[in-house]
Amino acid sequence: GNSVTQMEGPVTLSEEAFLTINCTYTATGYPSLFWYVQYPGEGLQLLLKATKADDKGSNKGFEATYRKETTSFHLEKGSVQVSDSAVYFCALSAGYSSASKIIFGSGTRLSIRP
Amino acid sequence: GAGVSQSPSNKVTEKGKDVELRCDPISGHTALYWYRQSLGQGLEFLIYFQGNSAPDKSGLPSDRFSAERTGGSVSTLTIQRTQQEDSAVYLCASSPGGQAFEKLFFGSGTQLSVL
Repeated sequence: GNSVTQMEGPVTLSEEAFLTINCTYTATGYPSLFWYVQYPGEGLQLLLKATKADDKGSNKGFEATYRKETTSFHLEKGSVQVSDSAVYFCALSAGYSSASKIIFGSGTRLSIRP
Repeated sequence: GAGVSQSPSNKVTEKGKDVELRCDPISGHTALYWYRQSLGQGLEFLIYFQGNSAPDKSGLPSDRFSAERTGGSVSTLTIQRTQQEDSAVYLCASSPGGQAFEKLFFGSGTQLSVL
């Protein structure tokens, strides 16, 4: 079945460090891929998305490239800030229409030290 | 209301009792999801309603779990004969569907504790 696997946390970095959070997927068809973020005390919100191979999603300095050959969608940021501390979820929607459900990975907690 | 509303916010129950969790989605949103988040775990998909289509129940962990969505709006998740392993945060989310189907709006969740 469809699934998402992401690196376990917690991940702790110093401010201005480079961030990578790995995500790989298994899916039938042509999935759309997403990263969601959950800031402390808030609900999940969509961070970025990519809907086809080689697409790059970007938002708030974060980027992720849809790699079909490696079935990956790793999240990267060149210089993290304390305000980026949150839980990050990789997700996919598999199928051929917007009627396909969205399933999530297990989440990666990121903590940034000042 | 402006957002997705879930009630109750906390529920403590005894093993073997039935519970009902309610979700009020954003008005006009055609898609509604239920997820479960256990301590240290990710979001486990439970059930998905999209418009008038038959719901996708593939994530329900057992036949003790059921959900309905009345009039394309309010949804109720029912857990019968609760077990301790049912303890978790139950999250509801809605989305506009269509071209914005991935824009999920989450409620604050119901923390269920089964003693």
